[in-house]
Amino acid sequence: AQKVTQAQTEISVVEKEDVTLDCVYETRDTTYYLFWYKQPPSGELVFLIRRNSFDEQNEISGRYSWNFQKSTSSFNFTITASQVVDSAVYFCALSEAKAAGNKLTFGGGTRVLVKP
Amino acid sequence: DAGVIQSPRHEVTEMGQEVTLRCKPISGHNSLFWYRQTMMRGLELLIYFNNNVPIDDSGMPEDRFSAKMPNASFSTLKIQPSEPRDSAVYFCASRPKTGASNTEAFFGQGTRLTVV
Repeated sequence: AQKVTQAQTEISVVEKEDVTLDCVYETRDTTYYLFWYKQPPSGELVFLIRRNSFDEQNEISGRYSWNFQKSTSSFNFTITASQVVDSAVYFCALSEAKAAGNKLTFGGGTRVLVKP
Repeated sequence: DAGVIQSPRHEVTEMGQEVTLRCKPISGHNSLFWYRQTMMRGLELLIYFNNNVPIDDSGMPEDRFSAKMPNASFSTLKIQPSEPRDSAVYFCASRPKTGASNTEAFFGQGTRLTVV
């Protein structure tokens, strides 16, 4: 069974600080996919990034970066130089390659509040 | 592409009434998901379909909930009879291609349901 845990329920920072969101996952599959979504106050769910289990190279995309470590089953997400517009709930999600029908499981979310 | 379209955006109904939520997935997407989001329980997967066939409905809370996907371009989630505890935001999402677990899910704007 697949499971995603986001231990941090809420993080508050001052603008321009970096924010790192933790995500720990459980899966029996050797091939799986990890995602981060953002839910701003307007309510929609916006896809941010995707990572495959066979590619542990960490990357940076603009102010976003992620640290994927299979050894610890973690897929952490960092916002560099945070801005007020980054205030949102961030969800980590997992999809197993063998899961019937493309099931996508979400963590509980972390609320990020960026203060000016 | 118009994205995933959900209707209505907001629904207020009285306890005991039947409620029907509608979803039009992105054309060409083969997987469709219904999620429910509440403050207490976060983002819960209710049911998902592959090629119009229900794959896993274990997340459906009670027999009062039912979902159908009569064709590739339309799905409904019905609650009959509705109860105040059903109040939540209901999201529909779609993903392209069966087995493409590395693709992200695209979400609709959600339906905010209030049962009074």
